[in-house]
Amino acid sequence: GAGVSQSPRYKVAKRGQDVALRCDPISGHVSLFWYQQALGQGPEFLTYFQNEAQLDKSGLPSDRFFAERPEGSVSTLKIQRTQQEDSAVYLCASSLNRGTDTQYFGPGTRLTVL
Amino acid sequence: AQSVTQLDSHVSVSEGTPVLLRCNYSSSYSPSLFWYVQHPNKGLQLLLKYTSAATLVKGINGFEAEFKKSETSFHLTKPSAHMSDAAEYFCVVSDRVSNDYKLSFGAGTTVTVRA
Repeated sequence: GAGVSQSPRYKVAKRGQDVALRCDPISGHVSLFWYQQALGQGPEFLTYFQNEAQLDKSGLPSDRFFAERPEGSVSTLKIQRTQQEDSAVYLCASSLNRGTDTQYFGPGTRLTVL
Repeated sequence: AQSVTQLDSHVSVSEGTPVLLRCNYSSSYSPSLFWYVQHPNKGLQLLLKYTSAATLVKGINGFEAEFKKSETSFHLTKPSAHMSDAAEYFCVVSDRVSNDYKLSFGAGTTVTVRA
């Protein structure tokens, strides 16, 4: 079946621009996660949704980062006024029920801020 | 808080020889432990996971890992490397008691396989 998909796969932004990254989880998956992976590092947790509720946003690095999942399916990660340090791969993952179920990852969106 | 340390940033092996990727963990409670693999331009794929059952865990593609509480280790092994095993491997931990959905990743180990 279809896995987690993310778009765009690559995004180049000028410093100060706003960007929006999209995640389509596996159909029927209740939980959705966003991670940030800097070059040469492991992914780091950003935020967690259960259906449309954002239950944990403790990993968001600043108030320029905002995530939503209004209908409990597709999610968007928005970064306002991008900075060079925001350059990273942004990974989305989903799991079937509770957050403790196996997380299935998408291919990621590589964001480069010039 | 939980964390993992992957002891090797890069491992190089010959095709057909054993692979060993080392991982030590730190966790306040009972950990869940995972190994994920990341091929270029592909999503992270789960190789195997330990939750609380058998300490020797078998995964996909011939990989296995052993949970050793006394050594706080969760090393990944494969008896015979294949060219397709060349990838980035991540050891991952989560606490089963609190915030157990939050995965903490190691820095990764890059595996190269020589023909």
